[in-house]
Amino acid sequence: SYELTQPPSVSVSPGQTASITCSGDKLGNKYASWYRQKPGQSPVVVIYQDTKRPSGIPERFSGSNSGNTATLTIRGTQAMDEADYYCQAWDSSTGVFGGGTKLTVL
Amino acid sequence: EVLVLESGGGLVQPGGSLRLSCAASGFTFSSYVMSWVRQAPGKGLEWVSIISDSGGTTYYADSVKGRFTISRDNSKNTMYLQMNSLRAEDTAIYYCAKVEDYYVSPNKGYFDYWGQGTLVTVSS
Repeated sequence: SYELTQPPSVSVSPGQTASITCSGDKLGNKYASWYRQKPGQSPVVVIYQDTKRPSGIPERFSGSNSGNTATLTIRGTQAMDEADYYCQAWDSSTGVFGGGTKLTVL
Repeated sequence: EVLVLESGGGLVQPGGSLRLSCAASGFTFSSYVMSWVRQAPGKGLEWVSIISDSGGTTYYADSVKGRFTISRDNSKNTMYLQMNSLRAEDTAIYYCAKVEDYYVSPNKGYFDYWGQGTLVTVSS
């Protein structure tokens, strides 16, 4: 079965750039989306179809996808961005999530 | 305003059954693919199942195939998840999610709206 691999944790200083990777076989041939989940809350999409931002998501969030790796980049990271982030893709018709990355802003 | 609201969670013994519901509003329910995603306590997200807009096509994660059945009633704007032969490892918050752009190939689908989740606990 298809697998997506994320680092368990990423740390960043306020105002700096955070990058969270998601690796999968030929992931660049698929579309990746990214979800933010804060404690006790439901997930929220922050990037879809590799690079698109939903309305209401700040411009500091961006995404890319090429080769075997999709990347979520958060520029000018703020304390409010501290959360768990999950990548997601489709293996044909079935969904796959990465294991999640805890972003710590310190 | 788009809303999806799960219900039906609770405590059930191993081997038991439970049916979850997801009531939708604020969009044309019959035009959209819908999905279930779960999250075990302290763990990550796990995709569970998906159903086409008409209800005629369904897919399942290997972990639930043969035990769970997804369905929908477009006249009631409601999706269901019938869960049988429940195991301790099925303990999780179950989220209902609306799926956008699922049919575009390669699959561009993403979960644009999520419910608040309903907790299923499988324990004796």
